Amino acid sequence: EVVLTQSPGTLSLSPGERATLSCRASQSVNSNYLAWYQQKPGQAPKLLIYGTSSRPTGTPDRFSGSVSGTDFTLTISRLEPEDFAVYYCQHYSNSRTFGQGTKVELK
Amino acid sequence: EVQLVESGGALAQPAGSLRLSCATSGFTFYHYVMSWVRQAPGKGLEWASAITGNSEDTYYSDSVKGRFTISRDNSDNTLYLQMNSLRVEDTAVYFCVKGSTGDRPYYFDTWGQGTLVTVSS
Repeated sequence: EVVLTQSPGTLSLSPGERATLSCRASQSVNSNYLAWYQQKPGQAPKLLIYGTSSRPTGTPDRFSGSVSGTDFTLTISRLEPEDFAVYYCQHYSNSRTFGQGTKVELK
Repeated sequence: EVQLVESGGALAQPAGSLRLSCATSGFTFYHYVMSWVRQAPGKGLEWASAITGNSEDTYYSDSVKGRFTISRDNSDNTLYLQMNSLRVEDTAVYFCVKGSTGDRPYYFDTWGQGTLVTVSS
């Protein structure tokens, strides 16, 4: 089974800064099937990105996803106050497992 | 608007049972895979179980296999999770989650607010 390792565990940044979150797969995977979810304290997760780089309606365009080999990246171009949250990746081709999460916190 | 509303979470004793329900609306229920994803206090997300639209196929994580049973009532647009032989480590918020399609591969496009299950003596 594919294991997803997210890094860093915590990212301390200020509003307006760029955030780069990594999700590495333990083996070669289909690069088209990676999703990112955002979870704020006390709330349910929310789909942010699917298909590695597609944004569902409602996801601001400051969020973008990319891939290089087995390394998937979520980039937030300029952090807004509402972006401070925990982010999970999930590869959904044959597995339903999630990465362990990256917390983006206010510096 | 797609809505998923869980209920049934409660305090249960180890070895006890609970049944979770998820009432859905706003989409053609039988067209989509539905899942349960759980989150232990302060921990990450763990997929627990999934069921195809016509209930033909069900899937379970190793941690719940043999103890939990997922089912759905397409006439009532409701998803269920029967939880037996509960363990302390089953303590978590359980989210009802809609899949993006009726078959693999699917991502989780809509989540309910969750219902808390606490297993403790």
